[in-house]
Amino acid sequence: DTEVTQTPKHLVMGMTNKKSLKCEQHMGHRAMYWYKQKAKKPPELMFVYSYEKLSINESVPSRFSPECPNSSLLNLHLHALQPEDSALYLCASSLKPQGGSGANVLTFGAGSRLTVL
Amino acid sequence: GENVEQHPSTLSVQEGDSAVIKCTYSDSASNYFPWYKQELGKRPQLIIDIRSNVGEKKDQRIAVTLNKTAKHFSLHITETQPEDSAVYFCAASFGTLDGSQGNLIFGKGTKLSVKP
Repeated sequence: DTEVTQTPKHLVMGMTNKKSLKCEQHMGHRAMYWYKQKAKKPPELMFVYSYEKLSINESVPSRFSPECPNSSLLNLHLHALQPEDSALYLCASSLKPQGGSGANVLTFGAGSRLTVL
Repeated sequence: GENVEQHPSTLSVQEGDSAVIKCTYSDSASNYFPWYKQELGKRPQLIIDIRSNVGEKKDQRIAVTLNKTAKHFSLHITETQPEDSAVYFCAASFGTLDGSQGNLIFGKGTKLSVKP
């Protein structure tokens, strides 16, 4: 298995809803990432999990709550979102964390397209 | 922190011509430079990457060059085909002062259109 799988592919939610995005990989990767991508923009890093521990939180509002239950799964819990949070949410993984002499290839999932009404 | 500038933002070429996209980075400690291709509505996919100990890398019609002194790297696509049409993102992985991990910083993207 050489893929990162994200569900759901599309999600429409109201501002008072609670929902979750899920990401799964079985490549033995130990770093997993959440990115947010708006139309015609590059992916923006939100969170990094390194060996199942949150290592980076790029000043993301608390209405986004990540969770890494195990080395294969990554969730993003959503609560009280705003319309401006509508975007494509990309999960990615790499064999080990980026940086240093051990930088590794980032594999992206297909994304979850979120619309907040 | 790291900053990656990418040019041009749009590029239109005729099928069979070459396309060149350029990126500059600010952190001299950056050591990993991938290029991602994103077709409309799809995920970014790695097409080629280069590490700081190499000056050039080629894979069929695609090549990447790195100039560490000038802190810039470029993507070269030869004999372009309509299926090369997509948005291309460069990225740089930066180092940190305490030796902890850095992460990919993306350029703003180049929309390449290849006209048949």
